[in-house]
Amino acid sequence: TAGITQAPTSQILAAGRSMTLRCTQDMRHNAMYWYRQDLGLGLRLIHYSNTAGTTGKGEVPDGYSVSRANTDDFPLTLASAVPSQTSVYFCASSDSRGGGVVKEAFFGQGTRLTVV
Amino acid sequence: GQNIDQPTEMTATEGAIVQINCTYQTSGFNGLFWYQQHAGEAPTFLSYNVLDGLEEKGRFSSFLSRSKGYSYLLLKELQMKDSASYLCAVRDWKDSNYQLIWGAGTKLIIKP
Repeated sequence: TAGITQAPTSQILAAGRSMTLRCTQDMRHNAMYWYRQDLGLGLRLIHYSNTAGTTGKGEVPDGYSVSRANTDDFPLTLASAVPSQTSVYFCASSDSRGGGVVKEAFFGQGTRLTVV
Repeated sequence: GQNIDQPTEMTATEGAIVQINCTYQTSGFNGLFWYQQHAGEAPTFLSYNVLDGLEEKGRFSSFLSRSKGYSYLLLKELQMKDSASYLCAVRDWKDSNYQLIWGAGTKLIIKP
């Protein structure tokens, strides 16, 4: 089924360890996003990529890095995890180029990360 | 600056009608989305408004007033499965591309 896939679904990580959250889409969307969602705060943008080879910082980028080597993949890396990075992480993609057609964002199923 | 406000929580009765409001302030408005998110799941797209007025889609309708920076999502004939969070998001023009600015979401509780 076409869509966007995240891995892993959940993870418990020791503080100080590194981890990469994987995200793959097969819709050929130009734009991809990483959000974290915490209770009462809604979706907060961590990093984004408008096209392969480019990335940008969102609202809460500190402690995270991303890469966009190709259109389909957009991994998120935590270099040295801290407990405040405990959250649910959502990857999303959309066709964000100009035009009047509705172009909604599609979300992966989420990764529930606990840093202890 | 950019800001989106919606109520934190609402309660309604099965079979009734509920209206969830969203107000926004953005610099490069280019459309407003409503998403539904069930607990433990990903957000899913419900509706999109870019022009003023009402968009109807079955039991769900969404309204937009660009001059007032205001939108609402109207849910009719409420069912228990409508218990979820409803997220308002504005598409804003930034860095030569569109980006979504998200509200914190409204948790809707449906009672029998």
